[in-house]
Amino acid sequence: SQQGEEDPQALSIQEGENATMNCSYKTSINNLQWYRQNSGRGLVHLILIRSNEREKHSGRLRVTLDTSKKSSSLLITASRAADTASYFCATPQYNFNKFYFGSGTKLNVKP
Amino acid sequence: NAGVTQTPKFQVLKTGQSMTLQCAQDMNHNSMYWYRQDPGMGLRLIYYSASEGTTDKGEVPNGYNVSRLNKREFSLRLESAAPSQTSVYFCASSEQGTGSQPQHFGDGTRLSIL
Repeated sequence: SQQGEEDPQALSIQEGENATMNCSYKTSINNLQWYRQNSGRGLVHLILIRSNEREKHSGRLRVTLDTSKKSSSLLITASRAADTASYFCATPQYNFNKFYFGSGTKLNVKP
Repeated sequence: NAGVTQTPKFQVLKTGQSMTLQCAQDMNHNSMYWYRQDPGMGLRLIYYSASEGTTDKGEVPNGYNVSRLNKREFSLRLESAAPSQTSVYFCASSEQGTGSQPQHFGDGTRLSIL
């Protein structure tokens, strides 16, 4: 299976702190995507990083990709209560029509 | 612009009943997907449709059928519901099934089978 796995499963921090979550995957990829899911809602795409990129930024989000270690990390800086959600990494399967999603990191940002 | 719309939002069925979950997207996307989400399991792909007129099995297709009715609509049918199919079902779409574009999700159908 090429399924990504996030670590940690749960993370609780204070507002203003940084949150880091990690994703590991098993086989070669051409890109990796991160999604957010608020409670009771569908997933929302956050950022895509390609296999030839090492780091990418979007607002308070910073994503890194290490293809040699088959891992990625998502950093949320200066977290806010509104960042409370579950975060998932997704990797496309070889034929690209299928995505594997990890089981997610549940982030709780306390005001 | 509604994006991906799923109906119904909630449903309770008895074992053995059948039902169809509806999904429609208004973004003119070619590819559509059905996932189920169970606690601690992440999302698992049930079926997908790379383009209008084609459907393919995902990781967990048993007990389900799909229909790509047209470019906008992709339905999921449970012919004989079982308690193991209690889950939250998500429909998603992407512009192309190349894996290099984001998927857009509906807000899910919460299905309980007694």
